[in-house]
Amino acid sequence: DAGVTQSPTHLIKTRGQQVTLRCSPKSGHDTVSWYQQALGQGPQFIFQYYEEEERQRGNFPDRFSGHQFPNYSSELNVNALLLGDSALYLCASSLLPTGTFRLAENTGELFFGEGSRLTVL
Amino acid sequence: AQSVTQLDSQVPVFEEAPVELRCNYSSSVSVYLFWYVQYPNQGLQLLLKYLSGSTLVESINGFEAEFNKSQTSFHLRKPSVHISDTAEYFCAVSNAGTYKYIFGTGTRLKVLA
Repeated sequence: DAGVTQSPTHLIKTRGQQVTLRCSPKSGHDTVSWYQQALGQGPQFIFQYYEEEERQRGNFPDRFSGHQFPNYSSELNVNALLLGDSALYLCASSLLPTGTFRLAENTGELFFGEGSRLTVL
Repeated sequence: AQSVTQLDSQVPVFEEAPVELRCNYSSSVSVYLFWYVQYPNQGLQLLLKYLSGSTLVESINGFEAEFNKSQTSFHLRKPSVHISDTAEYFCAVSNAGTYKYIFGTGTRLKVLA
């Protein structure tokens, strides 16, 4: 059973550039969430995608955008990179409970990938 | 707004000694609570979770946590730690069913020989 996979694992960009990070959710999952983990900090929620739409968003500027594809995979895009965007970007997948028929599957658990470490110079 | 406080940024402990990592949260609604572990240069792995029911939850590797609603706490404990437990531990809270986690700042557990 494939877990959450992310690519690339590491990348280096310069200020002002744009970056795209990719995520494939765990088999059977349809919801993808993205988190930013700065060095020495806990992960912070960026946004969540379900049915190809952004469902929830954290306190991040519009430079951060995303997309979810019909196969449930997702991309995180960051424009106009700043030095402060240097972080580990974590993708997590889950089943979004959207009705009583899904309550039995609602484990409340997020499954995380290994992350993409972005360095902005 | 929800928040999570992990009171200790670092906890050194000798091997085979007991340890407690503290976590307090604030929320006005029903919550799910989690502990995740992160080894160097890796993602997060679920250690244990509280959704409902018994307030004492256990993991397969000897950790346990107790949900205390009156004290809004979810402290993590292990009666005897191993060198391999050295890692960063994160407490997280979510509104029941939203899957939007709020994480604490983490506690670095260092087990000494």
